[in-house]
Amino acid sequence: GAVVSQHPSWVICKSGTSVKIECRSLDFQATTMFWYRQFPKQSLMLMATSNEGSKATYEQGVEKDKFLINHASLTLSTLTVTSAHPEDSSFYICSARDYWGGVGYGYTFGSGTRLTVV
Amino acid sequence: GIQVEQSPPDLILQEGANSTLRCNFSDSVNNLQWFHQNPWGQLINLFYIPSGTKQNGRLSATTVATERYSLLYISSSQTTDSGVYFCAVVSGSEKLVFGKGTKLTVNP
Repeated sequence: GAVVSQHPSWVICKSGTSVKIECRSLDFQATTMFWYRQFPKQSLMLMATSNEGSKATYEQGVEKDKFLINHASLTLSTLTVTSAHPEDSSFYICSARDYWGGVGYGYTFGSGTRLTVV
Repeated sequence: GIQVEQSPPDLILQEGANSTLRCNFSDSVNNLQWFHQNPWGQLINLFYIPSGTKQNGRLSATTVATERYSLLYISSSQTTDSGVYFCAVVSGSEKLVFGKGTKLTVNP
């Protein structure tokens, strides 16, 4: 089945630095990937839709200059948290959409990245 | 946008018990998936089920699209079933919208 790899699994960074998170589709091509953020004991909130070869589409309230998304190939999307601050600490999860044969489009998730900004 | 409501928010079971989790959605859907989020945060796809009934071992799911709800059944629960169960839907766009989840605790 479809596999999505996300790295790193966890990262600790100093306030003011930038952190890059990678999301790869391992056995399929993903023209569209999605980035979510999850706070403790809450649900997943969609941050942006990443489209291969074009600009990402951000959800309302998400700062595009702080959360830079690049989808340069059909198997890789990256999320860069720029000038990170403690309030950016969270669990970030990526997802890729794939056509699951006759059933339609399904969504597979990476294992997530736990970001702690100190 | 579409609203997704899950119930109950919390569920505590003894090992071996059965349970039913519910997902209500406010509009017609193109896609509905049930996920299990384990304690490490990994989201595992359980079912792709915009309509109909499916079974996989001790788990089964039913979606009644015309009445806008889906049910996830867990039989003979095990401690490894603990975690958060999410229902997520796609309606009219490619965005997957999540409910708030049901936190399941299975005690030995």
